Amino acid sequence: DTAVSQTPKYLVTQMGNDKSIKCEQNLGHDTMYWYKQDSKKFLKIMFSYNNKELIINETVPNRFSPKSPDKAHLNLHINSLELGDSAVYFCASSQEGPTYEQYFGPGTRLTVT
Amino acid sequence: QKEVEQDPGPLSVPEGAIVSLNCTYSNSAFQYFMWYRQYSRKGPELLMYTYSSGNKEDGRFTAQVDKSSKYISLFIRDSQPSDSATYLCAMGGSGGGADGLTFGKGTHLIIQP
Repeated sequence: DTAVSQTPKYLVTQMGNDKSIKCEQNLGHDTMYWYKQDSKKFLKIMFSYNNKELIINETVPNRFSPKSPDKAHLNLHINSLELGDSAVYFCASSQEGPTYEQYFGPGTRLTVT
Repeated sequence: QKEVEQDPGPLSVPEGAIVSLNCTYSNSAFQYFMWYRQYSRKGPELLMYTYSSGNKEDGRFTAQVDKSSKYISLFIRDSQPSDSATYLCAMGGSGGGADGLTFGKGTHLIIQP
């Protein structure tokens, strides 16, 4: 009965590859987010999606493209991976539109070699 | 100056002690204040969610917000070894949530049995 789930948990890949991370929430929320936690442990917002529509893109390179097939899913595609993309990526969700009461998934640890 | 400042620790206290965790911030637009607990290699877990100034209590946890001083605190009473984790403060302003949370770096807390 996991609330916010992500796959894969770990992802190791080489520079230049394209990869995807999947996120699903079973909370009935209609807003989902992607955050990045870098090596210095700061969590920073990347994208906000409400009802399958992009609300915010916080100065993220266009190599990163979120896709929301439905309200319960928000996937993150990353093209031409770079060393600096190595981080932990967290998906989160909130109910009834974007709010600050956000619930996070377990994270996907991406390592680019 | 970072928007949210939080002492990274580690903070080590004996079991049963009262723990005080703090954050300061510079952005006066912040109105929503959260505390998250993050265990190693896990996602942030929402502990406390407060709006504006004042206190909020939930079991062994008490959150305090002093907007005039731009200072928030989390108190943990009767601390347990299972409380050992990284505690992240997070804040939100007038963006309604779509602009995402602004996090502190987190304080690593160790409860000694």
